Amino acid sequence: ETGVTQTPRHLVMGMTNKKSLKCEQHLGHNAMYWYKQSAKKPLELMFVYSLEERVENNSVPSRFSPECPNSSHLFLHLHTLQPEDSALYLCASSQVASGGISGNTIYFGEGSWLTVV
Amino acid sequence: QKEVEQNSGPLSVPEGAIASLNCTYSDRVSQSFFWYRQYSGKSPELIMSIYSNGDKEDGRFTAQLNKASQYVSLLIRDSQPSDSATYLCAVKGAQKLVFGQGTRLTINP
Repeated sequence: ETGVTQTPRHLVMGMTNKKSLKCEQHLGHNAMYWYKQSAKKPLELMFVYSLEERVENNSVPSRFSPECPNSSHLFLHLHTLQPEDSALYLCASSQVASGGISGNTIYFGEGSWLTVV
Repeated sequence: QKEVEQNSGPLSVPEGAIASLNCTYSDRVSQSFFWYRQYSGKSPELIMSIYSNGDKEDGRFTAQLNKASQYVSLLIRDSQPSDSATYLCAVKGAQKLVFGQGTRLTINP
């Protein structure tokens, strides 16, 4: 059993559909993340929630909308996506460091493979 | 200049040899360094973290950090075919964790 679970694992959607990706962490962490991984590109940080507040939004198009109802759950709502949005979407969690240089190890879920047709 | 740079590979190493993976970073104030392993079609898995200059060993894995040279490496001793994967270097600066694009490692039996 992984500490971070994502559903669905695979999703095919049309450009006019609305769908959501769900993430749940069982590690007692208080920060959650969405990353995008495309072929031959580094992991791209999309959103960060710390203590349920969005603290980072890396110029992500508005067709991606995150939601963090509590420290254990994170959603990514998808609307009017483009084929180039097809990628692996990874959720991750960590404990926000209260000080010092360690404590920010992040742990990934298994990912949601998204194909936009 | 990329914030975190890795040779994308592929790096081919014979079974039983030492695999050496390298990573350089641009942010001098970086304090935390991580190596993740990602098998094809799977999510990244943390295998090592290092925070101080020098070497840190964990089983067959050794992470090496040189902050003056802004360089972090991962050595895998007695390489096994199961070590074949993409290895991601991640560096945490003042604000965020930045990943390199990964080095694809293939261990040849």
